[in-house]
Amino acid sequence: DAGITQSPRHKVTETGTPVTLRCHQTENHRYMYWYRQDPGHGLRLIHYSYGVKDTDKGEVSDGYSVSRSKTEDFLLTLESATSSQTSVYFCAISESILANTEAFFGQGTRLTVV
Amino acid sequence: SQKIEQNSEALNIQEGKTATLTCNYTNYSPAYLQWYRQDPGRGPVFLLLIRENEKEKRKERLKVTFDTTLKQSLFHITASQPADSATYLCALVDQTGANNLFFGTGTRLTVIP
Repeated sequence: DAGITQSPRHKVTETGTPVTLRCHQTENHRYMYWYRQDPGHGLRLIHYSYGVKDTDKGEVSDGYSVSRSKTEDFLLTLESATSSQTSVYFCAISESILANTEAFFGQGTRLTVV
Repeated sequence: SQKIEQNSEALNIQEGKTATLTCNYTNYSPAYLQWYRQDPGRGPVFLLLIRENEKEKRKERLKVTFDTTLKQSLFHITASQPADSATYLCALVDQTGANNLFFGTGTRLTVIP
């Protein structure tokens, strides 16, 4: 999977608790993304990063924050998890902007908020 | 509203036949369109990218067409094999400049031996 590791792979958490998902890459790609995948919606962009400390919002960013302090790591935080955030989360990376190149995806993290 | 629709949720075909998957979009102006394959429990894997000024792109048994007038892309797998069974996703990059792939919900292809 193109040198992308997501952790944890599975997590069950309670409503109202903070959760952090980690994405680690070994490809030295500039761009990193967090998507969520839900039945009937396809993959939707939450946030992305175009460099260390440079991030931007995607389509469904409410309730999520991100941080990128190193090229290889991109963290997604749910400040106070809600049941609507139960989903499969995918990290992706790309060498340049997505108009020019493909995205490489991690294995995904299945998050259940109870 | 903006939509990306893939022709059907599931498609079953006989081994050796050509599978044709459709991706239609509404209220997007894509500069590029990509196709991905996703197996159960895995992340999507890139297959092909086609630009708006390209009519057709081929890679081995795969062929993609892109018709900006019809607002449609077709994805063909020739001489299909059971190993081609997976969900296929189309995704587009809009000309608005945002660095985002907008995905369809996918078509689950099953190739029957």
